Amino acid sequence: QLQLQESGPGLVKPSETLSLTCTVSGGSISSNNYYWGWIRQSPGKGLEWIGTIYYSGGTYYNPSLKTRVTISADASKSQFSLKLSSVTAADTAVYYCARTEQMASGPFDFWGQGILVTVSP
Amino acid sequence: ETVMTQSPATLSVSPGERATLSCRASQSVTSNLAWYQQKAGQAPRLLIYGASTRPTGIPARFSGSGSGTEFTLTISSLQSEDFAVYYCQQFNNWPPAFGQGTKVEIK
Repeated sequence: QLQLQESGPGLVKPSETLSLTCTVSGGSISSNNYYWGWIRQSPGKGLEWIGTIYYSGGTYYNPSLKTRVTISADASKSQFSLKLSSVTAADTAVYYCARTEQMASGPFDFWGQGILVTVSP
Repeated sequence: ETVMTQSPATLSVSPGERATLSCRASQSVTSNLAWYQQKAGQAPRLLIYGASTRPTGIPARFSGSGSGTEFTLTISSLQSEDFAVYYCQQFNNWPPAFGQGTKVEIK
């Protein structure tokens, strides 16, 4: 059974860079036709798609976050990562990694459990 | 940007009754619409994709319909485990977007 697990700091200071990793087990991120994405959920904005990556390097970002987001993948470790720079309190959210098939935009059929990231001094 | 609007915000239903949830897109998303169920403290779970297709393992009491801009999720006979928040998501237009959710609560 495919499993995704987010990891990273739960607390980030304002103006710094949020860095999270998603480790995939029970499957390979280099499988054809699968894309790997990040989605966040905050009380104020609900569910927000951040971006998606194809294992070979193609990336797709939400225009609202594009200038601050970088998603990368390491197939040898079966991991993909999210970096979000210049964070503010508005970036406080639960961050999920997820998988989608065929299309970078969804639907997302497997999700990690989520990790709460708080932006605070 | 395609805005997804869900109604109602909260739906009070008795166990065994039918629940009907709506999702409207600000522009056509054809049939590229998904529904998710989220319980407290858990990640969303995919219930429906392609507007009406259930993934393997999703009970038949969940059904989806619609195309273009108007979509419906129907739960034919609510079970105790169905009380949760439901989100729609369009993946036809860029960027993909979620609705704000409908909470289904026990009446």
